[in-house]
Amino acid sequence: EVQLVESGGGLVQPGGSLRLSCSASGFTFSSYAIHWVRQAPGKGLEYVSAINNNGVNTHYADFVKGRFTISRDNSKNTVYHQMSSLRAEDTAVYYCVREVYYHDTSGLLGHWYFDLWGRGTLVTVSS
Amino acid sequence: QSVLTQPPSVSGAPGQRVTISCTGSSSNIGAGYDVHWYQQLLGTAPKLLIYGNSNRPSGVPDRFSGSRSGTSASLAITGLQAEDEADYYCQSYDSSLSGSPNWVFGGGTKLTVL
Repeated sequence: EVQLVESGGGLVQPGGSLRLSCSASGFTFSSYAIHWVRQAPGKGLEYVSAINNNGVNTHYADFVKGRFTISRDNSKNTVYHQMSSLRAEDTAVYYCVREVYYHDTSGLLGHWYFDLWGRGTLVTVSS
Repeated sequence: QSVLTQPPSVSGAPGQRVTISCTGSSSNIGAGYDVHWYQQLLGTAPKLLIYGNSNRPSGVPDRFSGSRSGTSASLAITGLQAEDEADYYCQSYDSSLSGSPNWVFGGGTKLTVL
């Protein structure tokens, strides 16, 4: 079955750290970029971080400000998300998602969407 | 404040047609970046509904359709059914001046089937 499974969420105190994992199966993991998208309780979706297929390029939302690190181990079909200096506002369900990238017919613009989502893992930052 | 603006809620009776708008700006939808839509049923993860403005993944009923024009996009649902009650999110890419890649979502629209 083609799927992404997140793990590692839980309760952590403000200022603490947590490492999330995203395990993939059913597809050629090393061919895809992976993103983390989060959703605070009762709120909308928010891009957090991204890593390309071979792990060389990583990107982060501005609010991360050096606190989070995304990495991957293609030999284990797993993406990791190390989070430190956690704040109450980081409380959210964190989803691991698979990116699809394509160019438009003119070849001038690239486009991205997310075709596979994990079930998410809840991170709660509270004292 | 989301970069892409959606109405917080829409509603319709079974069998009716509803539309959900997604309004962006010249740095995202207006710049030519495609719009994609996701459906999130209560208590579940989002699911891809429409990609590339108007394309449906395998398994998505043709009651769902999408379009893009100028700085906006729309999702239309015809023949509304009870199981369509969910939150809907649009997504695109924003070429902000900061230079950092920025994948953006709308704030989400809650669809209620009356």
